[in-house]
Amino acid sequence: QQQVKQSPQSLIVQKGGISIINCAYENTAFDYFPWYQQFPGKGPALLIAIRPDVSEKKEGRFTISFNKSAKQFSLHIMDSQPGDSATYFCAVGGYQKVTFGTGTKLQVIP
Amino acid sequence: DAGVTQSPTHLIKTRGQHVTLRCSPISGHKSVSWYQQVLGQGPQFIFQYYEKEERGRGNFPDRFSARQFPNYSSELNVNALLLGDSALYLCASSFGDSQETQYFGPGTRLLVL
Repeated sequence: QQQVKQSPQSLIVQKGGISIINCAYENTAFDYFPWYQQFPGKGPALLIAIRPDVSEKKEGRFTISFNKSAKQFSLHIMDSQPGDSATYFCAVGGYQKVTFGTGTKLQVIP
Repeated sequence: DAGVTQSPTHLIKTRGQHVTLRCSPISGHKSVSWYQQVLGQGPQFIFQYYEKEERGRGNFPDRFSARQFPNYSSELNVNALLLGDSALYLCASSFGDSQETQYFGPGTRLLVL
């Protein structure tokens, strides 16, 4: 059973635009919701994470929006840049286990 | 400071062979987790070790095993390789036994022919 469903599978955004990636989960016991960024040939790197007690967290151009009742959370990348082109993974979990989504390949075109 | 290092970077094996992958965590980190990432998919959890003890195991067959050494480095062993084992194998380290703040290495790309 898939713990987290991520969409879209791929995304093309113009430079300066907003990139939005969505994830949905089922298990209400999850209490940790991170986003990872992976460049080709590299391992994933933690980008930003949120706990279910807040609805939004912002770090620079990256924002997580969290909707506990809908069991959904999303990553917003403001003022998207070509350097943001990468694969983004949402994940769900708790203290000792993190489960990843299937990934979204983002391409930011000039 | 060095990040998580993994060796080898690439590996080609044939079906039925055995493979050993190695990981050195960030200095001071005591936990190592292993993940398998098939092309186009997210990383799938295989094992976590903390203080040389297994703390978690994902849904992988017994052909997969791992261990952690006193210096906190780790090995992942896969026996009787199948074509479907072809993937990027990622190691992640963290200071404590939580997977929440973990740092990934660049991975070992395994191709099974």
